[in-house]
Amino acid sequence: NAGVTQTPKFQVLKTGQSMTLQCAQDMNHNSMYWYRQDPGMGLRLIYYSASEGTTDKGEVPNGYNVSRLNKREFSLRLESAAPSQTSVYFCASSGQGAYGYTFGSGTRLTVV
Amino acid sequence: SQKIEQNSEALNIQEGKTATLTCNYTNYSPAYLQWYRQDPGRGPVFLLLIRENEKEKRKERLKVTFDTTLKQSLFHITASQPADSATYLCALGPRTNAGKSTFGDGTTLTVKP
Repeated sequence: NAGVTQTPKFQVLKTGQSMTLQCAQDMNHNSMYWYRQDPGMGLRLIYYSASEGTTDKGEVPNGYNVSRLNKREFSLRLESAAPSQTSVYFCASSGQGAYGYTFGSGTRLTVV
Repeated sequence: SQKIEQNSEALNIQEGKTATLTCNYTNYSPAYLQWYRQDPGRGPVFLLLIRENEKEKRKERLKVTFDTTLKQSLFHITASQPADSATYLCALGPRTNAGKSTFGDGTTLTVKP
């Protein structure tokens, strides 16, 4: 009963370093999303993928790239981390039609 | 631009009372609205979805209303318990780009015994 699995759970990066956040879902959902959550700012959409092979920018895409590797996996890459990217990152997925999202447990990223 | 406002950042109530949380929106016409619960250090968990043509939806002790004229949704927890203490998020569902919802900042509910 995995649902949405995110790795790693915690990460500390130095400014300028790169890393990839991994996300996988086992519910056969078409759509996947990456959000960041900051105190007082709520959840803000970074990128989303409506279906395998497609990706689109969300509200705050600058400094990030994504890859929809297959239907199950959607990764988020920080090419050159900045302190402003310190946040909690959530991956989510949803099925066809208007249904709720299933979220992962999050990655807490600190950039120093 | 679209804006979502959830009532006061924090709501404190006594156990057994009904908690009422508000979600107001402007410059938007959502096809549906969702409510989520988030506990500290965890991801949001989906609770209820209500469509624009539905006035009310219930699930156990939870009730959601949706007034598209007032551009408002109310989320009620009846017979509240300390275990209901959490942050509750509302999210607006779009007519296009299916699935790309916009989230409010959330209201933190504390139920005191």
